[in-house]
Amino acid sequence: RKEVEQDPGPFNVPEGATVAFNCTYSNSASQSFFWYRQDCRKEPKLLMSVYSSGNEDGRFTAQLNRASQYISLLIRDSKLSDSATYLCVVNVHSSGGSYIPTFGRGTSLIVHP
Amino acid sequence: GAVVSQHPSWVICKSGTSVKIECRSLDFQATTMFWYRQFPKQSLMLMATSNEGSKATYEQGVEKDKFLINHASLTLSTLTVTSAHPEDSSFYICSARLAGHYEQYFGPGTRLTVT
Repeated sequence: RKEVEQDPGPFNVPEGATVAFNCTYSNSASQSFFWYRQDCRKEPKLLMSVYSSGNEDGRFTAQLNRASQYISLLIRDSKLSDSATYLCVVNVHSSGGSYIPTFGRGTSLIVHP
Repeated sequence: GAVVSQHPSWVICKSGTSVKIECRSLDFQATTMFWYRQFPKQSLMLMATSNEGSKATYEQGVEKDKFLINHASLTLSTLTVTSAHPEDSSFYICSARLAGHYEQYFGPGTRLTVT
């Protein structure tokens, strides 16, 4: 089982739709969680951090469920410009004592007119 | 804030030559930098973790003698691909993390093509 798993999609939605992505992680000692966005042939850009209390930034809401070991990202009122790959990142505790960022494969979102 | 640059942004080299890629944190000090590789339509794969002033920690399957990493200062890490071969052609991305923080900021990547 991979440490961080995401549904690769693609999720194909019309403009204005609400779409949700989930990401599961296997290491219960994981610390800190993030969503990144990656456009084609570009570097990932930090979208938002994820907290147990939930984190909202405009149309984007992220949530962490430690008991079930998953994080979610909700996008409301999708825009064409939201089309991208969304990467889930979990900092996994390594045997050396540090936290190593571990990426999911990414979920592809396509928003169409 | 939290800007990371990479140089060069793309490079084409002949098989057998070495290529050096620089990663700089422009407006913050990065105690830890990470080097990733990404093949087309695949996820980012962590190659190594680079800590300032110490040896890099390589992920399993990554040859440390082929991918030389140097993190000589709090704002600069370099990755040298030695004796490059066509199968090393890929998108190499670095990221930097501030001390005591978990989020990382990515450089724009370097596209390497080995002919």
